[in-house]
Amino acid sequence: AQSVTQPDIHITVSEGASLELRCNYSYGATPYLFWYVQSPGQGLQLLLKYFSGDTLVQGIKGFEAEFKRSQSSFNLRKPSVHWSDAAEYFCAVASSGNTPLVFGKGTRLSVIA
Amino acid sequence: KAGVTQTPRYLIKTRGQQVTLSCSPISGHRSVSWYQQTPGQGLQFLFEYFSETQRNKGNFPGRFSGRQFSNSRSEMNVSTLELGDSALYLCASSRTDRQRDGYTFGSGTRLTVV
Repeated sequence: AQSVTQPDIHITVSEGASLELRCNYSYGATPYLFWYVQSPGQGLQLLLKYFSGDTLVQGIKGFEAEFKRSQSSFNLRKPSVHWSDAAEYFCAVASSGNTPLVFGKGTRLSVIA
Repeated sequence: KAGVTQTPRYLIKTRGQQVTLSCSPISGHRSVSWYQQTPGQGLQFLFEYFSETQRNKGNFPGRFSGRQFSNSRSEMNVSTLELGDSALYLCASSRTDRQRDGYTFGSGTRLTVV
């Protein structure tokens, strides 16, 4: 069964600094990969997704992610963090088109001035 | 267009009672999935419905059940509530049953069991 690991439970960055959130997955073939963001008291919002093709994926709010098959990773990046980016970020994987998403435990991002 | 609507937003129930949560997907979306979110276990898949048929089911006891109506609205029911059922229950809808379309999540129903 597929699994997702987000090694960092909590990350704090300064506003304007760059950000990288790590995600590693366990699955034999190329999975479907997603990043979601959740603000306090809210549901999850899809930031970006990867199925195939270009390994660098652009998403909303200035986020991007890079799929690295050799490392089984799908790390999320942003060049300059804004205070409004403070939230919890979830990486998710699905093994095929109609299997349920499996989520990582999430990384909480704090942004300081 | 309207997003995924979950009602109620907050609920307090007593141990042993039962509860029904409702989810109205985005218009035109035929797939509805339910997730339970807790601080300890994170996001765990409950079940998925597509065109009124349960397509996938997570590893939850039979006290958790769901259904989908012909208008794609979905309900989930939890019987004989336990303290451990306290969680945020999230509903997500998708246009098809294919993951490539991505899910749109509702804001959730916060269930507290006392």
